[in-house]
Amino acid sequence: DTGVSQDPRHKITKRGQNVTFRCDPISEHNRLYWYRQTLGQGPEFLTYFQNEAQLEKSRLLSDRFSAERPKGSFSTLEIQRTEQGDSAMYLCASSLGTGVYEQYFGPGTRLTVT
Amino acid sequence: DAKTTQPPSMDCAEGRAANLPCNHSTISGNEYVYWYRQIHSQGPQYIIHGLKNNETNEMASLIITEDRKSSTLILPHATLRDTAVYYCIVKPGSARQLTFGSGTQLTVLP
Repeated sequence: DTGVSQDPRHKITKRGQNVTFRCDPISEHNRLYWYRQTLGQGPEFLTYFQNEAQLEKSRLLSDRFSAERPKGSFSTLEIQRTEQGDSAMYLCASSLGTGVYEQYFGPGTRLTVT
Repeated sequence: DAKTTQPPSMDCAEGRAANLPCNHSTISGNEYVYWYRQIHSQGPQYIIHGLKNNETNEMASLIITEDRKSSTLILPHATLRDTAVYYCIVKPGSARQLTFGSGTQLTVLP
């Protein structure tokens, strides 16, 4: 257990529905990251927060995706109008700083869109 | 970020040292070498990182060649619980995100 928690661990939804995932980072970490991992591939970066500010977004983060980190604590990732291609593991990580600081990952939320 | 090349899979006998190679021939002077691993259905786990010098911690040792074009992660006494995908990542110190490749599937055999 790294101290980063994610909820839910699994989510099955029908195409077109909205889903929201939550990430609770390690409490003293002010950097938070979201990654997506599809089967057989390494994780891909989605977005990054420093405290409550979203400072970087990948081109993978389409308009249907939105992430927030109110008050610089937990973060949510929402996917609107889900598509089958959104089926993946969504991973959250946190770090004490950027640069050389290591990132600690949560267990992930596995999303299946039917 | 510099590209890394890793063998897709390796086996290791339990109790023996596991030596996982990584080629990063285009690495720049300000790029660090990181190793993470991912046990099936879990999130990636940080193992170790280094810039130029060899590094050791409670989990592993990282050996970086003098020209920095390749490195080796050493698990000194592999156990069955070390079976995982191991990712070698090269990242500038200033970069925020990690760029994962395909990694090496290490299987520790009893």
